[in-house]
Amino acid sequence: DTAVSQTPKYLVTQMGNDKSIKCEQNLGHDTMYWYKQDSKKFLKIMFSYNNKELIINETVPNRFSPKSPDKAHLNLHINSLELGDSAVYFCASSQEGRNSLSAKNIQYFGAGTRLSVL
Amino acid sequence: GQQLNQSPQSMFIQEGEDVSMNCTSSSIFNTWLWYKQDPGEGPVLLIALYKAGELTSNGRLTAQFGITRKDSFLNISASIPSDVGIYFCAGQLNRGSTLGRLYFGRGTQLTVWP
Repeated sequence: DTAVSQTPKYLVTQMGNDKSIKCEQNLGHDTMYWYKQDSKKFLKIMFSYNNKELIINETVPNRFSPKSPDKAHLNLHINSLELGDSAVYFCASSQEGRNSLSAKNIQYFGAGTRLSVL
Repeated sequence: GQQLNQSPQSMFIQEGEDVSMNCTSSSIFNTWLWYKQDPGEGPVLLIALYKAGELTSNGRLTAQFGITRKDSFLNISASIPSDVGIYFCAGQLNRGSTLGRLYFGRGTQLTVWP
């Protein structure tokens, strides 16, 4: 069983379209994340949700909207796709807990979604 | 945001050689992590370090949490072809508004020649 699974693995679309990427974790974690990895392999956090509450919201265009229907799912919807959105998007999860000092905070990553905007 | 400098950017070595890479930060971290990413996959955790000065091994891998809390290194001994991949360091504060936030280095691309 895959711990953090994202779909689709590949997404090819045209500029201006709206698309969604789904993420599910079966680890029982309370925190989920979205990262963007650019062509130079730099990993940068976009969002994180703890118990369905938005915790981290980096400076990303508001065309990107995360949605967490429950603790096990964090989806990413992207409106009006642009060429610069082409990248690999990773979902991750961790157990942060109420007392962050007691949690080990290890993040487990999905296999990524390669988005190509033409 | 926090700046992590990871070096070297790439390494080309022969099978059997030892490898060393390191990461430095402008600020202190409470946790240092080392991940490996294979092509087409997500990063996978190799070693987690939680205390300044901590030295931890995982098979042929050894990592240390710098005493200043601003640096960490990863050593791989007797490299083998399957060690090929991108190695990332990551730092974490685990506190308040930075809960869960990982700051990544830019990665070290390792190539191992048989």
